[in-house]
Order: sequence, then structure tokens, then C-alpha cells
Amino acid sequence: DTAVSQTPKYLVTQMGNDKSIKCEQNLGHDTMYWYKQDSKKFLKIMFSYNNKELIINETVPNRFSPKSPDKAHLNLHINSLELGDSAVYFCASSQDQVEAFFGQGTRLTVV
Amino acid sequence: SQQGEEDPQALSIQEGENATMNCSYKTSINNLQWYRQNSGRGLVHLILIRSNEREKHSGRLRVTLDTSKKSSSLLITASRAADTASYFCRFPGGATNKLIFGTGTLLAVQP
Repeated sequence: DTAVSQTPKYLVTQMGNDKSIKCEQNLGHDTMYWYKQDSKKFLKIMFSYNNKELIINETVPNRFSPKSPDKAHLNLHINSLELGDSAVYFCASSQDQVEAFFGQGTRLTVV
Repeated sequence: SQQGEEDPQALSIQEGENATMNCSYKTSINNLQWYRQNSGRGLVHLILIRSNEREKHSGRLRVTLDTSKKSSSLLITASRAADTASYFCRFPGGATNKLIFGTGTLLAVQP
């Protein structure tokens, strides 16, 4: 069983559209994250949730909204997509902020 | 920037040689982690070193931590072609203790 799974793996969409990326972990971890990896491979944290509560909210545009229906799920909704949103988005989970388990990533391409 | 700096940015070696990559950070930390990312894949945790440890081993991996210099190094001994990947350090940083990644080192091991 995949520990952290995110869907879809690839997402190609037009500017201005709204899209969601889903993430689920079956590890029983309390903390989940969203990271963005840009074309230079830099990884930047976007959001972190602990037991469904938002604990880190980096300076990302308001068009990005995380939603955690329960502690096993952290979805990312993006409104009014822009070209600059093209990147690979990674979901991760951890317990006590140590070893994190990552999903396989969602490659978002905005055209 | 709060992002950790890694050097070198890229490293190319022959199979059997050792590879060393370095990570520097700016804040006080209680642990530092190293991850590997194969091309097009998610990140995989390799090793964690705590602030009260100076050196840690795991198989062919050796990690050192110098808290006075705010730096860590990852040594891969007797490298193999399968070690070809990007390597990232990750550590808690900033007021919110968010987990920040280094800029990454791209390692290419030539067979």
C-alpha cells in the first residue's frame, strides 16, 4: 500500500481554470504538508497542517487554499491558475516533524 | 532567504568514488535530515541527525553535523550508478519551526 498518495500525477490545464490536487496518507501521522518544487528543483513549503489545523501558511497567493477534511487527507485547491503556477507539487506527512514521507508529486502545467 | 544552501550544486563522479555534499543553514536546529530524489519521483528520507550528535552512519552513508558552523555533510562511499539522484537537506527553521529544504545537490555517478 502506498503510504502517501496524491492524485493526479499529471495535470495540464488552461490559465484561469480552477483545479484540485488530492493527498491521502495511511501512516496515521498528525502532520501533513504541501511543497512546491520549481523548475530549478527548489523545494518551498506552502502549507502545513497538524491534526486538521493549519500551522504553517507561507506567503502563497490567496488563490491557493488547502483543505483538510480529516488528518489523513490534505487537499490543495488552486483558483484562477496562472502560468507561474506550473511546478511539481508534493504532499508529505510526518509525525513529530522528523522523517517525512512524500507522495510521488503532481506535475502541474498551466498553458 | 531561509532556504538552506547546498554545495556543490552538481557533482559528477565515477562509480566506486566517494561523493560529499554539504548543507549550510542559518537558524538553530534540533535535527537535520537528508533526502534523495530520483528524477521524476518523490523524496525519500535517508538519515536524520540530531543536534547532540556529531556523526551518524547508515550503510554507505555518513552524515556529520557541526552546529557551531551551522553545517552538515553527507558522504556516500563507494558510489554506484544507482546513487544518481538529487540530494536535499531538510531542517526546522524560522519562528514557526517550519521544515526548510536546502537547494539540493545533483549527483551523477558514471558507470
